[in-house]
Amino acid sequence: GAVVSQHPSRVICKSGTSVKIECRSLDFQATTMFWYRQFPKQSLMLMATSNEGSKATYEQGVEKDKFLINHASLTLSTLTVTSAHPEDSSFYICSATPGGSRGDSPLHFGNGTRLTVT
Amino acid sequence: QKEVEQNSGPLSVPEGAIASLNCTYSDRGSQSFFWYRQYSGKSPELIMFIYSNGDKEDGRFTAQLNKASQYVSLLIRDSQPSDSATYLCAVSRAGNQFYFGTGTSLTVIP
Repeated sequence: GAVVSQHPSRVICKSGTSVKIECRSLDFQATTMFWYRQFPKQSLMLMATSNEGSKATYEQGVEKDKFLINHASLTLSTLTVTSAHPEDSSFYICSATPGGSRGDSPLHFGNGTRLTVT
Repeated sequence: QKEVEQNSGPLSVPEGAIASLNCTYSDRGSQSFFWYRQYSGKSPELIMFIYSNGDKEDGRFTAQLNKASQYVSLLIRDSQPSDSATYLCAVSRAGNQFYFGTGTSLTVIP
């Protein structure tokens, strides 16, 4: 159980275009989902916390107007990278937990989306 | 002070040996503790979680928790080359607060 599906797994886009990444919890409901970014050989960096039915919470230094997050239902969160530039090229990973807000259930990760902006 | 600290390594062990990975955390309010394995170019996958002081065993993996010392460890017995990866320690608190270490790179030498 506790499967998180992320799509697409890989995307190449031109500079200035927007890219949407979907994250779905397949067998549980997730009021909260987390979006991470990871550059090569670096650690996971939390970008934002996505809350169903309310605004996402962004980490310091993450531009909310550039990384649009929509948590439209209890099983779907989307991250849109707007006006992408080469420096946005990275590995984007979503995660969710079936444990609600108790904090006693593990995070389960999607397979990640490798974004390359040319 | 970082929430979760790990030695970045690299840690190298010969095949068949025991690999020992360590992690410390700063907040005594942390309630749950997790170990993830991340292969290069892949997303993290959960391998162990522990909530109570003591040891928890699952196959070749043993997680150890010492809340008094704020210390979590992962032992991998009979290490295999396929265990070569980065191991992430994570802790959580109520309210869906998760904190990850920067990971320890493990190489198992055939």
